[in-house]
Amino acid sequence: DAKTTQPNSMESNEEEPVHLPCNHSTISGTDYIHWYRQLPSQGPEYVIHGLTSNVNNRMASLAIAEDRKSSTLILHRATLRDAAVYYCILRSFGGSNYKLTFGKGTLLTVNP
Amino acid sequence: NAGVTQTPKFRVLKTGQSMTLLCAQDMNHEYMYWYRQDPGMGLRLIHYSVGEGTTAKGEVPDGYNVSRLKKQNFLLGLESAAPSQTSVYFCASSYDRGGIGNQPQHFGDGTRLSIL
Repeated sequence: DAKTTQPNSMESNEEEPVHLPCNHSTISGTDYIHWYRQLPSQGPEYVIHGLTSNVNNRMASLAIAEDRKSSTLILHRATLRDAAVYYCILRSFGGSNYKLTFGKGTLLTVNP
Repeated sequence: NAGVTQTPKFRVLKTGQSMTLLCAQDMNHEYMYWYRQDPGMGLRLIHYSVGEGTTAKGEVPDGYNVSRLKKQNFLLGLESAAPSQTSVYFCASSYDRGGIGNQPQHFGDGTRLSIL
């Protein structure tokens, strides 16, 4: 599986935008970029995913570099509820790649 | 809409005891998964199922068995619990078809299992 690299931790203030980076320099052409987050004492929660184009949904935006070797998850206005561990995961299109490979992720702290 | 429900939420076992963790999903998903999460580590896949009546091994299957007799349920069994199996267990389901690989997985809130 292609590897992702994320900062161990980041800090933000409430109601400010947050940009969470992810490097994936060995990404293949069939890899989707997925983001999940895990709030304390809960299971992981799907946030967003994309392949080549930038994506938006009600939770966040995903900006993908033109060469696809990096991506950024954007939370437009952080709230206290956004404090969580954020995981950037690559998942291949096709084949039998059923598992999600979770790394250590980025611990996001949101200050009031 | 309940999504993915895991029971029980907490359990303490003694070494050598057996137990079954139940996962139920109401989204009509084909695929279901069992993961474990240990402190400071990411989730690791134990077993998964691509449909009713089928199961397959994941990364860390030893000491566990699974069954998928009904599409909506995925059971994880520990035949003889060991302290090394103390962990938080997460079940997930997804609508993947044909190995597309771009469908999100939906997780339950976990079962916290301690084995003494």
